[in-house]
Amino acid sequence: QVQLRESGPGLVKPSGTLTLTCAVSGESIRSGNWWSWVRQSPEKGLEWIGEINDSGTFNYNPSLKSRVTISVETSNNQFFLKLSSVTAADTAVYYCATNSYCARSGCYGTYQYYYMDVWGKGTTVTVSS
Amino acid sequence: DIVMTQSPLSLPVTPGEPASISCRSSQSLLHSNGYNYLDWYVLKPGQSPQLLIYLGSNRASGVPDRFSGSGSGTDFTLQISRVEAEDVGIYYCMQTLNTPRAFGPGTRVDIK
Repeated sequence: QVQLRESGPGLVKPSGTLTLTCAVSGESIRSGNWWSWVRQSPEKGLEWIGEINDSGTFNYNPSLKSRVTISVETSNNQFFLKLSSVTAADTAVYYCATNSYCARSGCYGTYQYYYMDVWGKGTTVTVSS
Repeated sequence: DIVMTQSPLSLPVTPGEPASISCRSSQSLLHSNGYNYLDWYVLKPGQSPQLLIYLGSNRASGVPDRFSGSGSGTDFTLQISRVEAEDVGIYYCMQTLNTPRAFGPGTRVDIK
């Protein structure tokens, strides 16, 4: 059963870069699946940040596109989020998430699924000097 | 980009009574494979988001059968047949047909 765990600094200075890691266990990250980042703040609710698959193909939220990079490291079964030029508006709880069916069985073609039934516990990131 | 809206944004409920949340998308979420790419999540205080309903009407594993999802195309509904106190939280619909994926603004459900 796939499990996810986020890690990273809880405090980032304004204009700095936020870097988070999501460690994947229970399934290989090379499974024909998409791996996602979502954040939650009281102001914006849940916000989709972006996703990546094991081939390195990614999709980003256009509102963050110029600042966000999602990458994958198959050798260590983990993926990453980098968000540059952060401001107080980037203060949020950051989650990594995925689809357990596709993680287990792989999903291809017209039967790719993006619903997220497995989530990490989340990590709180505060942007402050 | 597909834009998601929800109504109401706030929903006070009485335990034991039914509740309903509406979600609309700016474009049809019906895929050529026959599935509607519309999911429902709930965010409860201190917890990670939880998937309730996927692909429009499929209840996720472990979700009580008092939760149901319906609709197709651009109009969807999440129904709770009998609200319980533990159902308090913020409910979000989300489209995953196209990128960028998008959540609705959320509906806050609390007890009257």
